[in-house]
Amino acid sequence: GAVVSQHPSRVICKSGTSVKIECRSLDFQATTMFWYRQFPKQSLMLMATSNEGSKATYEQGVEKDKFLINHASLTLSTLTVTSAHPEDSSFYICSARAPVVAYYNEQFFGPGTRLTVL
Amino acid sequence: TQLLEQSPQFLSIQEGENLTVYCNSSSVFSSLQWYRQEPGEGPVLLVTVVTGGEVKKLKRLTFQFGDARKDSSLHITAAQPGDTGLYLCAGADDYKLSFGAGTTVTVRA
Repeated sequence: GAVVSQHPSRVICKSGTSVKIECRSLDFQATTMFWYRQFPKQSLMLMATSNEGSKATYEQGVEKDKFLINHASLTLSTLTVTSAHPEDSSFYICSARAPVVAYYNEQFFGPGTRLTVL
Repeated sequence: TQLLEQSPQFLSIQEGENLTVYCNSSSVFSSLQWYRQEPGEGPVLLVTVVTGGEVKKLKRLTFQFGDARKDSSLHITAAQPGDTGLYLCAGADDYKLSFGAGTTVTVRA
């Protein structure tokens, strides 16, 4: 159980285009999902918290107009990188919060999406 | 954001040797989790420790949570090449996780 998928696994796009990344919880409902980015040989940096049915909460320094998050259902959150530039190239990872009753704030991570902006 | 410091940053050992990774913070966490991440993949949860002084074992891996719930350690006995990866500790504050910088472990055959 507790499987999280991401699509696509990798994407290459031209500068100025928008890219959408999907994050799905496959066998459980996730009211809360998280989006992280990770640069080579660095740790995960939380970008935003995605809440089903409400606006995402962004971490300080993350542009909400550039990184659009939509959590329209209990199993799907999407991250859209708008007008992508080379500096947005990174490894984007989503996670879903486990059911509170059974777990201690654990998160289950997707396999990540490698974004390369040319 | 609560800061978690991991040490060492890199660790390269021979197969069969033991290793320990440390995770320290000045903050108290409700729980602390250890993840392992392989290149190009998402982190995989290894263990969650909740109680101060708790020790958990997962085959050759031993995890310890400090009495004050501010620090933790991961000890691997008789390391194998399959243990190679990035080990991340993460402290839980309510529903958010704060990650350490990670320890890159390389086990040479």
